[in-house]
Amino acid sequence: KQEVTQIPAALSVPEGENLVLNCSFTDSAIYNLQWFRQDPGKGLTSLLLIQSSQREQTSGRLNASLDKSSGRSTLYIAASQPGDSATYLCAVSETSGSRLTFGEGTQLTVNP
Amino acid sequence: DTEVTQTPKHLVMGMTNKKSLKCEQHMGHRAMYWYKQKAKKPPELMFVYSYEKLSINESVPSRFSPECPNSSLLNLHLHALQPEDSALYLCASSQIRWLGNTEAFFGQGTRLTVV
Repeated sequence: KQEVTQIPAALSVPEGENLVLNCSFTDSAIYNLQWFRQDPGKGLTSLLLIQSSQREQTSGRLNASLDKSSGRSTLYIAASQPGDSATYLCAVSETSGSRLTFGEGTQLTVNP
Repeated sequence: DTEVTQTPKHLVMGMTNKKSLKCEQHMGHRAMYWYKQKAKKPPELMFVYSYEKLSINESVPSRFSPECPNSSLLNLHLHALQPEDSALYLCASSQIRWLGNTEAFFGQGTRLTVV
């Protein structure tokens, strides 16, 4: 059974700092990995999708990397802003199936 | 358009009521999902429909009854719920490819309170 772990569980940083969120998974037979953002009481917003054959994806100040063989992904946020405060979730999609397995999330607070 | 629309946004129901949650997408996605999310926890998969057929049921109690009337709509019928069923219910969709499913898009959720 796939297990996804995110470290740290919570992170508080001053505005402007660069930061890294970590995600690890136990079964490397994944189809893709997605990073989501969730604001309190809201739905999930897709930030980046990395296919299993890719090493990284970038969108604006966000960069996600994937090392499938070691079961790890990182989300790098450059020049953090208070508006980045949210919970960040990573999720892996299984091959030949529809199951999407989530980590517990990292709650990020960016202080002005 | 990458929108998944869920209605209602909020729902309060008694333990003897029958209600339904609705989800709609027009991205041509053929996989649709129901997730349940409790506070400060990740979403938990409940059901998956692939090509309008139920493909995954994560041992969900029968008081939750999913329905996929067509490729754009997904319903979740609720009956005789318990207070512990209070949660945020999320709908999602993705496209089906031979080796796996594509990027998943989520709705804003229905906040359900059972009294």
